[in-house]
Amino acid sequence: AQTVTQSQPEMSVQEAETVTLSCTYDTSENNYYLFWYKQPPSRQMILVIRQEAYKQQNATENRFSVNFQKAAKSFSLKISDSQRGDTAMYFCAFPAGGTSYGKLTFGQGTILTVHP
Amino acid sequence: GAVVSQHPSWVICKSGTSVKIECRSLDFQATTMFWYRQFPKQSLMLMATSNEGSKATYEQGVEKDKFLINHASLTLSTLTVTSAHPEDSSFYICSALPGLNQETQYFGPGTRLLVL
Repeated sequence: AQTVTQSQPEMSVQEAETVTLSCTYDTSENNYYLFWYKQPPSRQMILVIRQEAYKQQNATENRFSVNFQKAAKSFSLKISDSQRGDTAMYFCAFPAGGTSYGKLTFGQGTILTVHP
Repeated sequence: GAVVSQHPSWVICKSGTSVKIECRSLDFQATTMFWYRQFPKQSLMLMATSNEGSKATYEQGVEKDKFLINHASLTLSTLTVTSAHPEDSSFYICSALPGLNQETQYFGPGTRLLVL
């Protein structure tokens, strides 16, 4: 069974600083995708970034970047220049393949608070 | 693009009644939709996978007779909570996959259900 683990239940950071959220996963597959979603107080799930496992280059979306370590099965999210609007719960997610196509396994989530 | 809507956004009902929640993909066709349940400050729990024109696949422990799912068209899936009880009170979220070979799920804004 595929598992996703986020070991940081809560984190806080000052505005303009950098924060890294950790995620580890377990899979026997070789080609797959990994996702980070954020859920702000509105509770709307928003895609932050995605990484394709066959790509060695780490994905980047503006202030958001990942550190993908395939051998270590680690997929951390770095948020640079943190803003108040980044306050949210962040979920790492891993989709199943094969007959379970598209099903996402979510980590436990990390509540991030950005302080002024 | 890739917008998913849910209706209603919140609903209060009496114990024993049934409640229907709609999930629509507004600007794409979704062969697969997913229904999740989420408790406060917890992760998303997958309830079922809904495929257009076929029966939904329920996760272990989810009562299919209580949570009826219908995916009648490529843009609409419905979740009906039958004979609702207070323990069914929760936040229900749907997501949609925009076609085959698409790995990224897009989420609806969620429906808050309160059963009195």
